[in-house]
Amino acid sequence: AQSVTQLGSHVSVSEGALVLLRCNYSSSVPPYLFWYVQYPNQGLQLLLKYTSAATLVKGINGFEAEFKKSETSFHLTKPSAHMSDAAEYFCAVSHNNDMRFGAGTRLTVKP
Amino acid sequence: ETGVTQSPTHLIKTRGQQVTLRCSSQSGHNTVSWYQQALGQGPQFIFQYYREEENGRGNFPPRFSGLQFPNYSSELNVNALELDDSALYLCASSFLQGGEGEAFFGQGTRLTVV
Repeated sequence: AQSVTQLGSHVSVSEGALVLLRCNYSSSVPPYLFWYVQYPNQGLQLLLKYTSAATLVKGINGFEAEFKKSETSFHLTKPSAHMSDAAEYFCAVSHNNDMRFGAGTRLTVKP
Repeated sequence: ETGVTQSPTHLIKTRGQQVTLRCSSQSGHNTVSWYQQALGQGPQFIFQYYREEENGRGNFPPRFSGLQFPNYSSELNVNALELDDSALYLCASSFLQGGEGEAFFGQGTRLTVV
């Protein structure tokens, strides 16, 4: 069975600082990996996805993630945080369209 | 805007009652998945429908059931509601064709069971 673990339920950064949200996956087959963002009282919006092409994936709003098979990781980064990045972020792994989510990381951005 | 519409947006029900939640998929999509997101947690997979047939199910009891219609809209039905069923219910539609279709999520239905 596939699963993801997000390290850190809360991350706080200053505006302009690097954002790093950690995700490790477990999958018996080559995984499809996703990062979603959720703003309060909203559904999930896709930030980026890895589907076995390039290991460095660029997404929307300046986010990117690197697939590292040796570390079973798919960490999300952004060089410079904006106040508007404050939200809940979910890592997910999918196989045959059965998508499993992590518990989420709440990102707070301080002025 | 993802093109996935859920109704109603909010709902309050009494324990023991039944509820039906609805989802209108994005045009051209043939697959719909339902998730339960309890407060402070990640979404949990309930089940998926592909071309009107159940195509996978998570660890939810049979009182959670669903339908997908020929126009690919979908319903989630929950019988004998329990207090722990209070959650945000998310619908996601995608186009399944041999690979992993990107899932587009609706805004969700907030269900409160009292």
